[in-house]
Parts: sequence; C-alpha cells; structure tokens
Amino acid sequence: KAGVTQTPRYLIKTRGQQVTLSCSPISGHRSVSWYQQTPGQGLQFLFEYFSETQRNKGNFPGRFSGRQFSNSRSEMNVSTLELGDSALYLCASSTTGIYGYTFGSGTRLTVV
Amino acid sequence: AQTVTQSQPEMSVQEAETVTLSCTYDTSESDYYLFWYKQPPSRQMILVIRQEAYKQQNATENRFSVNFQKAAKSFSLKISDSQLGDAAMYFCAYNAGGTSYGKLTFGQGTILTVHP
Repeated sequence: KAGVTQTPRYLIKTRGQQVTLSCSPISGHRSVSWYQQTPGQGLQFLFEYFSETQRNKGNFPGRFSGRQFSNSRSEMNVSTLELGDSALYLCASSTTGIYGYTFGSGTRLTVV
Repeated sequence: AQTVTQSQPEMSVQEAETVTLSCTYDTSESDYYLFWYKQPPSRQMILVIRQEAYKQQNATENRFSVNFQKAAKSFSLKISDSQLGDAAMYFCAYNAGGTSYGKLTFGQGTILTVHP
C-alpha cells in the first residue's frame, strides 16, 4: 500500500513568487491535512480538506490556500512568498482522524 | 485553546534501557485523542501510539506504552528495551475530535538520543 506522497521534496523560490505543493494521500483516505514545521514555531496546522471541502483552517494569512480534487489529491499554494515561509510543509491523510494520521515526508521550501 | 507541552527538549538513554518522555496538555474537552509521533532524520512523521481519552486503559504497542492520567492531563510515553532505531524527535499531539477535523496540536518535541 503506497504511503502519502508529497512533491517536490525540495524547492527554492524567491521572495514575492508563488509556489504550489502537491500531496497524494493513501488510497481510500479522503481527509488531507497540511502542516508547517519550523524550528521556531514547531508544527502548526494550516488546513484540512475532506471530499473537496475545507472543513478546518488554522491561523495563517490568506496567502496560504489549498484545494482538494475529486481523487482526494490535494495542493497547497502560497502566494507572495516571504522569507518567513521557509519551512518543511507536511501533508497527512486519514480515513477518520481519530485513528491517527499518516504523514508524508514533506516538502522543504526555502525562500531566498 | 488547547495547548500541548513537552518539558524535556532532549533526553538520552542507553541501548536496552527504558526511557520516559513527558507530555502535558490543556483542554476543556472531556473526549479527545492523544498521539505520540516519531520524526527521524528522514522527516517523515510516524505514528507510535494513540490513546482515546474515554478509555481508562493505557495504550500499548510492543515496546511502547503510555501512562495516561486524564485528571492530571498528562500523557507520557515509555520506551522499553530502547534500540538505536528509536533515536528521533518525538512529538506529543492532541486532537479534540468532533469538528476539529484534521487538526493536531503538537508539543515542541523531545529529541531522543540512544547510546550504544
């Protein structure tokens, strides 16, 4: 059974640009969540999607957005990148979260 | 707001020995879910163990067990017979269930070093 796949693994972008990250969940998992991990702030919840609908959202500015497709694959977009957006972005999928979430290996975004 | 606190930034243990990682949390909910995740240098978060708050029995997964004290809002992880492969960052996480879809609140993490 394939795990959660995140692409790309590494990304370098310039301030002001925008970026799109991709997450393919485990087959059958309809819930996809996104997290930002930084040394200073730790792991912070961005948003969660289920059946193409955003059900929950963390405290991030509107520059951070996401969507989910009918096959449950999800994308996360960050517009007008800032240096502080440099982080590891993790995606997690689940059937129902109470049994735990399976994480991908993340996308390391560096903004220069 | 729920918060999760891991008071031990770093811990170390000798191979084959036992180590306990601490976690406390703050919530006004009566039903919720707690997790321990492991993050090795490969970056992938791996679920170690989970606990449902309405279950009084402590969860156990092979060498990993928890001490869940609901009244004290404490959720510690015990690793028995530590192995070199246990070396990683460990995160305690909380989910309120209900409409808290997908939202895990994490502690700051504990780096575990295992000495041969």
